[in-house]
Amino acid sequence: GAVVSQHPSRVICKSGTSVKIECRSLDFQATTMFWYRQFPKQSLMLMATSNEGSKATYEQGVEKDKFLINHASLTLSTLTVTSAHPEDSSFYICSATLTGQGSGYTFGSGTRLTVV
Amino acid sequence: GENVEQHPSTLSVQEGDSAVIKCTYSDSASNYFPWYKQELGKGPQLIIDIRSNVGEKKDQRIAVTLNKTAKHFSLHITETQPEDSAVYFCAASGTGNQFYFGTGTSLTVIP
Repeated sequence: GAVVSQHPSRVICKSGTSVKIECRSLDFQATTMFWYRQFPKQSLMLMATSNEGSKATYEQGVEKDKFLINHASLTLSTLTVTSAHPEDSSFYICSATLTGQGSGYTFGSGTRLTVV
Repeated sequence: GENVEQHPSTLSVQEGDSAVIKCTYSDSASNYFPWYKQELGKGPQLIIDIRSNVGEKKDQRIAVTLNKTAKHFSLHITETQPEDSAVYFCAASGTGNQFYFGTGTSLTVIP
C-alpha cells in the first residue's frame, strides 16, 4: 500500500532557530500533500495544502512566512518552521493522497517539535 | 464548508464488548467517509472507509454504517481488545482533495 515517510520523528530546537520537516511518498507520486498540526488530545488542524510545482495554499490564521512549505517534486514536500518559538511546539503531521477526491489520505508518522 | 461532529469524545469498554463511535456531517455533497486510528505519538492510520453509494461496510471486527439522508455515519468495533485502545477520527470529503476531520474519540479497552 501507499507509504508516507516523515522525518524527523522528534526534534528539539532552540528559540529563534529554524526546523525543516520532510514528507516523502515512497511508492507513489503525490501531486498534493497536506500539513497538519495537532495539539495534545485534539483533532488534526489543517495548516496548508502543498501542491507540486506551485505555491502552497494556507488555511486562515496560518502564517505563511513562518511555516514555509516547498513541494519541489512529486514525492517530497517540506515544512520549515522559521524562527521557532515555544508556542510552535506541537505534533506536525503530513499526508498525501494517491488519487483525487474519493480516496483516503495516507499519513506520515508525525514529527514532535519541541522549542526550548 | 463541511462541519464534522464526533461523539463521544471518550469511551471506555470492557474487553470483548462492542464500541460505537458516531459522526455527523453537514455537506450533502460529501461522498467519501474514512475512519482513522491514531496511537500515541504516531500518525493516523486508515482502518476502514465507506462511499456514499454504500450503506454498510465490514472488515472483520470493524464495520462502518452510513445514513446519507440523516448525514451521519458510525464506526462499530466488536469483540474489542486492549490493542484497540487509541484515538479514532472520522472524516468527510470536501472540495478538491480536502478532508474534514471529527474531533476524535479516545477509546480505552479495559482488560
